[in-house]
Amino acid sequence: NAGVTQTPKFRILKIGQSMTLQCTQDMNHNYMYWYRQDPGMGLKLIYYSVGAGITDKGEVPNGYNVSRSTTEDFPLRLELAAPSQTSVYFCASSYSGQGADKPQHFGDGTRLSIL
Amino acid sequence: KQEVTQIPAALSVPEGENLVLNCSFTDSAIYNLQWFRQDPGKGLTSLLLIQSSQREQTSGRLNASLDKSSGRSTLYIAASQPGDSATYLCAVTSGGYQKVTFGTGTKLQVIP
Repeated sequence: NAGVTQTPKFRILKIGQSMTLQCTQDMNHNYMYWYRQDPGMGLKLIYYSVGAGITDKGEVPNGYNVSRSTTEDFPLRLELAAPSQTSVYFCASSYSGQGADKPQHFGDGTRLSIL
Repeated sequence: KQEVTQIPAALSVPEGENLVLNCSFTDSAIYNLQWFRQDPGKGLTSLLLIQSSQREQTSGRLNASLDKSSGRSTLYIAASQPGDSATYLCAVTSGGYQKVTFGTGTKLQVIP
């Protein structure tokens, strides 16, 4: 099983450029999440999705957009890159249902630098 | 707003020692609590998940306990090994299954 796959692993962007971080999972999980991790800080939730066609904002959504057209894919888009968006981005998925909490599975991350 | 604190931020122990990592949270109305391991440059790997109705979970040399009323969890690592060196993060799910709040982690170094 591939689990959660993120691409690219590394990227350097110029200020004002846009890009999409890809995330796909093959575990048929209903919940998917995007986090960012800054040095010395805990992970911050950017956006999440509870199923195909349903997304909602997390703690730090400004400057980002998401979509969830299929169960497997949950891309994260940066429209106008800013230096404050330099971070490591993690995608995660889990199965959550009544009486059936399962642990989150994480991808290996995308290391993004905005210069 | 849920807040998760992990103390200490870093810990160094000799190989073979038993150790305890601490996690505290401010809102006791949680669905579950997870302990993760993160190796440098890698994603997070789930170690143990404790449901809100449970008091502890065990996996091999790891034992995690949960005391909701006091807002605390501990991760006990028995007979530590150099391969246990990593950052350990605690995360609580509350206010809905999507609201997962992470601590900033404890960086563990096990010295051979």
